[in-house]
Amino acid sequence: AQTVTQSQPEMSVQEAETVTLSCTYDTSENNYYLFWYKQPPSRQMILVIRQEAYKQQNATENRFSVNFQKAAKSFSLKISDSQLGDTAMYFCAFTANAGGTSYGKLTFGQGTILTVHP
Amino acid sequence: GAGVSQTPSNKVTEKGKYVELRCDPISGHTALYWYRQSLGQGPEFLIYFQGTGAADDSGLPNDRFFAVRPEGSVSTLKIQRTERGDSAVYLCASRFTGAGANVLTFGAGSRLTVL
Repeated sequence: AQTVTQSQPEMSVQEAETVTLSCTYDTSENNYYLFWYKQPPSRQMILVIRQEAYKQQNATENRFSVNFQKAAKSFSLKISDSQLGDTAMYFCAFTANAGGTSYGKLTFGQGTILTVHP
Repeated sequence: GAGVSQTPSNKVTEKGKYVELRCDPISGHTALYWYRQSLGQGPEFLIYFQGTGAADDSGLPNDRFFAVRPEGSVSTLKIQRTERGDSAVYLCASRFTGAGANVLTFGAGSRLTVL
């Protein structure tokens, strides 16, 4: 069974600063995907960034980037130039590829509440 | 539709009652997923449909929970004899399973409160 751990229940950052959210996971799979999702008060999960385990290059999406350390089973999210609209709950998630049949069956961490202060 | 639609947005019921939660996925999305999110926690997988059939229902907590997707589009999550512990947000997600498809789109969820 896979587990995902987010050890920071809450984080805060000043607007325009940089913040890093931590995530570790445990799996015996070799081929898998990792995700960061954002959940604002509207409850809708929004995909922030995705990393495929077989790709060594860290994923980047505008102000969001990840530090993927496969051997250490670590997957942190860095948010640069933080904006007030980044305030939300952030979840790290894992799915095994398994030939694509189990893609979408996600295991989530407990979440980190991020507050961006003006 | 443009997104995944879930109804009702909020449902309050009494212990022991039966409830149905509806999910209308994005048109053309063949895969549909249900998750349950308890207060302050991450979502937990319940069940996954590929077309009309349940491909994986390993996350359903007990036999009071059942889900259907009779025509391969809209899905209904059914909870019998509700208990206070069933109170949670129930999230639905869908995805297209064609070549290159790998994005899961979530709805805004149905918040269930069992009194």
